[in-house]
Amino acid sequence: SQTIHQWPATLVQPVGSPLSLECTVEGTSNPNLYWYRQAAGRGLQLLFYSVGIGQISSEVPQNLSASRPQDRQFILSSKKLLLSDSGFYLCAWSVGGTTYEQYFGPGTRLTVT
Amino acid sequence: AQSVTQPDIHITVSEGASLELRCNYSYGATPYLFWYVQSPGQGLQLLLKYFSGDTLVQGIKGFEAEFKRSQSSFNLRKPSVHWSDAAEYFCAVGESGNKLVFGAGTILRVKS
Repeated sequence: SQTIHQWPATLVQPVGSPLSLECTVEGTSNPNLYWYRQAAGRGLQLLFYSVGIGQISSEVPQNLSASRPQDRQFILSSKKLLLSDSGFYLCAWSVGGTTYEQYFGPGTRLTVT
Repeated sequence: AQSVTQPDIHITVSEGASLELRCNYSYGATPYLFWYVQSPGQGLQLLLKYFSGDTLVQGIKGFEAEFKRSQSSFNLRKPSVHWSDAAEYFCAVGESGNKLVFGAGTILRVKS
């Protein structure tokens, strides 16, 4: 069966520091991968998605970036965090190809101080 | 672009009572529709999905949803709510490019 991991689970970082969140999927090949942000009391905002290694699409311009160095690894990064980057970050995957059903990881709670 | 509206931000029901969470979507063709549930501090779990066929779909945890094309709705129902159902519920519609568009969510509170 498929499993999706995210780490760390919780992170507190000062403004201006770098960020690296990691997501990995097991039990499937060539998945579509997604990064979402969920701010307090708000819905899900799609940040990035990827249909293959090195293929990243950005949905919202901001100081975040994403990379997919391996088939089942998706990384969210920032060079300098802003207060507004605080939130709950969720990674998700779906079967490659034309599909919509997504499966979510446990999330990372990021607090920028 | 597709959009999803969940009109109720909060809903409170008594344990054992029936539940209906509303979802309206905007989409020209037959949509791919989903309901997810999120407990505090956790990821989203897929409850059920509609792609085609029977307009009444069954999901996990005793939930069901009915697709009504004429009303552009996909409401979630449960005949008897349990305290463990307290969570936030999200409706979503598939968008081109293998993406989902989510509603703003409905927070369900269950009172004993």
